[in-house]
Amino acid sequence: GAGVSQSPSNKVTEKGKDVELRCDPISGHTALYWYRQSLGQGLEFLIYFQGNSAPDKSGLPSDRFSAERTGGSVSTLTIQRTQQEDSAVYLCASSRRTGQVNEQFFGPGTRLTVL
Amino acid sequence: SQQGEEDPQALSIQEGENATMNCSYKTSINNLQWYRQNSGRGLVHLILIRSNEREKHSGRLRVTLDTSKKSSSLLITASRAADTASYFCATDAGSGGYNKLIFGAGTRLAVHP
Repeated sequence: GAGVSQSPSNKVTEKGKDVELRCDPISGHTALYWYRQSLGQGLEFLIYFQGNSAPDKSGLPSDRFSAERTGGSVSTLTIQRTQQEDSAVYLCASSRRTGQVNEQFFGPGTRLTVL
Repeated sequence: SQQGEEDPQALSIQEGENATMNCSYKTSINNLQWYRQNSGRGLVHLILIRSNEREKHSGRLRVTLDTSKKSSSLLITASRAADTASYFCATDAGSGGYNKLIFGAGTRLAVHP
């Protein structure tokens, strides 16, 4: 079946502009996660959504970052007034509940470059 | 902040050799997972080991977990050039099946033909 998809695959923007990154999770997966990966680094947790519960926003680095998940499916990560340090690959993942196991399925990521 | 730390940061071996990567973490966990990443894009789940398990196998992969030392290792046997990738450990410290994963910085593995 279809995996997690993300768009755009690449985004180049100017400092100060707003950007929106989109994630389509696997159908039926009720949990959705956003991570950020800087060059040569591991993944940094940003935010996750679980069903209708309030999202865990504990990883968002500043109030310029926000995310929504509409209808329990598609999610949009918005970065306002982008800065050069926001340049990274933004990865989305989804999972479904299988007991205590949390295997996450990742999308291909959006590479954001802020000039 | 990152929970896991992998070592080595980079590993270069010949095809047919075994590759061992280690991961250490800081807090109690529910399970630990290993992921593989090609070319800096999407990650692929490889194997999960629960906190009450000590060893697990999947094909050419062998994972061990020592909760007393807060460490895990991933062994890839009989490596192939196609195994060239970055490998990350990720810890799940929560309960209930939906939790953020805390990733280490990864080990870059290069397997030479």
